[in-house]
Amino acid sequence: NAGVTQTPKFQVLKTGQSMTLQCAQDMNHEYMSWYRQDPGMGLRLIHYSVGAGITDQGEVPNGYNVSRSTTEDFPLRLLSAAPSQTSVYFCASSQGAGQPQHFGDGTRLSIL
Amino acid sequence: AQSVTQPDIHITVSEGASLELRCNYSYGATPYLFWYVQSPGQGLQLLLKYFSGDTLVQGIKGFEAEFKRSQSSFNLRKPSVHWSDAAEYFCAVGTGNQFYFGTGTSLTVIP
Repeated sequence: NAGVTQTPKFQVLKTGQSMTLQCAQDMNHEYMSWYRQDPGMGLRLIHYSVGAGITDQGEVPNGYNVSRSTTEDFPLRLLSAAPSQTSVYFCASSQGAGQPQHFGDGTRLSIL
Repeated sequence: AQSVTQPDIHITVSEGASLELRCNYSYGATPYLFWYVQSPGQGLQLLLKYFSGDTLVQGIKGFEAEFKRSQSSFNLRKPSVHWSDAAEYFCAVGTGNQFYFGTGTSLTVIP
């Protein structure tokens, strides 16, 4: 069972570069979300989606874009990387909003 | 605004001792409540959840949590801690379409 798969696991970028963090789930979950985890701050919601074609902003959406063209995939795009975006990013999915979320193993991103 | 507070940043217990991790939330209605555990370099694993009904819920790995509406709390407990329980623990609240996590409690277990 693959569950939630995130790629890449590690990435180093230069300031101003763009990149896409990939997230795929094979559980046919409608709800998917992206979080960033920073020391002493827990996990903060960046964007979420309640189904294909529907996305919305979370607590810290600035500097990030998302789209949901299929149920399985929910990529997160950094348009112009900034050092403040250095973090560990987690993707999660669940059967619905408010249901227990299944997490990927995370992407560790460093912006120089 | 919704919020989740975990007042203990770090807790150290001896193996075999009991454990209680505190969690308080701020929300107008009864939310969905969760506890997750994170081992170093790993994602988060669900320990237990509360949606409604019995306020004492059992989870995996011998953990339990009690929902107290009057105190807006959802504290996690374990009667006897094992060395493998050393990890970071997160309380979370699910409201509408969004989840809010506490800042986490890091647990160290002394042999």
